[in-house]
Amino acid sequence: EVQLVESGGGLVQPGGSLRLSCAASGFTFSTCAMSWVRQAPGKGLEWVSAVGNSGRDTYYADSVKGRFTISRDNSENTLYLQMNSLRAEDTAVYYCAKYYYDGSDYLPCFDYWGQGTLVTVSS
Amino acid sequence: DIVMTQSPDSLAVSLGERATINCKSSQSVLYSSNNKNYLAWYQQKPGQPPKLLIYWASTRHSGVPDRFSGSGSGTDFTLTISSLQAEDVAVYFCQQYYSSPLTFGGGTKVEIK
Repeated sequence: EVQLVESGGGLVQPGGSLRLSCAASGFTFSTCAMSWVRQAPGKGLEWVSAVGNSGRDTYYADSVKGRFTISRDNSENTLYLQMNSLRAEDTAVYYCAKYYYDGSDYLPCFDYWGQGTLVTVSS
Repeated sequence: DIVMTQSPDSLAVSLGERATINCKSSQSVLYSSNNKNYLAWYQQKPGQPPKLLIYWASTRHSGVPDRFSGSGSGTDFTLTISSLQAEDVAVYFCQQYYSSPLTFGGGTKVEIK
């Protein structure tokens, strides 16, 4: 059974930092691109970042570029999101999500999501 | 960036009736080399993460009931629930994966009338 379990969220002051983790199991993590998607309270979904299966290729939304860093440890089956210079508008539930494999390729749509971890940026 | 616009924002449908949700992209998400539309649909129930329903605009994900169907091409897409069940009450999102950044529609809330 595929499981994605996020951790590391919490309350942080503006300008502060947090590191989110996502522990993956039930699939071959090292072959699968992964992503972070966030959802502000009562709002829609916003894609934040993605990383290729090796960790070499990374992608960011403009809203977080230069402040957030995505990475992965394939030996530990774990995805990370280092968040620096946090702003009030970064307040959201952060989900890690697995790219969907359609039988021939990994697609950047998401068949498994974690339950999310809440990040609150407030003084 | 490709902007995804959903309509309506919400709709109320009687049990057993059809629900139709629209999604429009600001540019085509049809890739001409493989003739595939890079469009997915998700269902999100309160307090839960999204669940993948449809990919390639019209391919149902494994385990998704056949009352859910996706259609459309290019810039205009539709998610149809042919006979609404109580468990279908949720917010539905479309997402394009044609280009980065990946973008989602604003969501459509489906309720029982």
